[in-house]
Amino acid sequence: GEDVEQSLFLSVREGDSSVINCTYTDSSSTYLYWYKQEPGAGLQLLTYIFSNMDMKQDQRLTVLLNKKDKHLSLRIADTQTGDSAIYFCAERGQLTFGSGTQLTVLP
Amino acid sequence: NAGVTQTPKFQVLKTGQSMTLQCAQDMNHEYMSWYRQDPGMGLRLIHYSVGAGITDQGEVPNGYNVSRSTTEDFPLRLLSAAPSQTSVYFCASSLGGRLYNSPLHFGNGTRLTVT
Repeated sequence: GEDVEQSLFLSVREGDSSVINCTYTDSSSTYLYWYKQEPGAGLQLLTYIFSNMDMKQDQRLTVLLNKKDKHLSLRIADTQTGDSAIYFCAERGQLTFGSGTQLTVLP
Repeated sequence: NAGVTQTPKFQVLKTGQSMTLQCAQDMNHEYMSWYRQDPGMGLRLIHYSVGAGITDQGEVPNGYNVSRSTTEDFPLRLLSAAPSQTSVYFCASSLGGRLYNSPLHFGNGTRLTVT
């Protein structure tokens, strides 16, 4: 079946950039999504990218999509302590989520 | 704006007990779904519904039942709880289904422990 893979952990220093990576298998995905989960809360949509785009920028967030390699990344510029959370990528109409990447921002 | 409301927040069950996790949304969303979240496994889809009276199975439906008698409510029933069902359960809704770019809105989750 379809699969979405992410690395489980990432640590960065405050002010640095964070890059969270995701690979997926379903080439028919129309949209790909990034969600953020803060402790004790549900997931909130961060951003999404349409499959015919290569890049989307939204303030400190940049999403890159490589359709050939089925690779999606989320870059957070000037990472802050408030960005510490679990980040999930999702595909196939949001029915398949990755395992989530725990981002820890060190002061 | 309540959004998606899940109750209870926490629950402890003994093996073999049954219970219903409640989910309600006030956004008039047609699509609702249930996920379970386990460490290192992300979210896995249990059941979903594209409208009142219509439900379908997701990736891990065994041991769970759902019904959708109204647009607002989508309860998840555990018929005979097992320790393998210890997890955090999330309900989510969206304006459209999987074919539409309508983001999922999530509840805050129910943490279930089965002993």
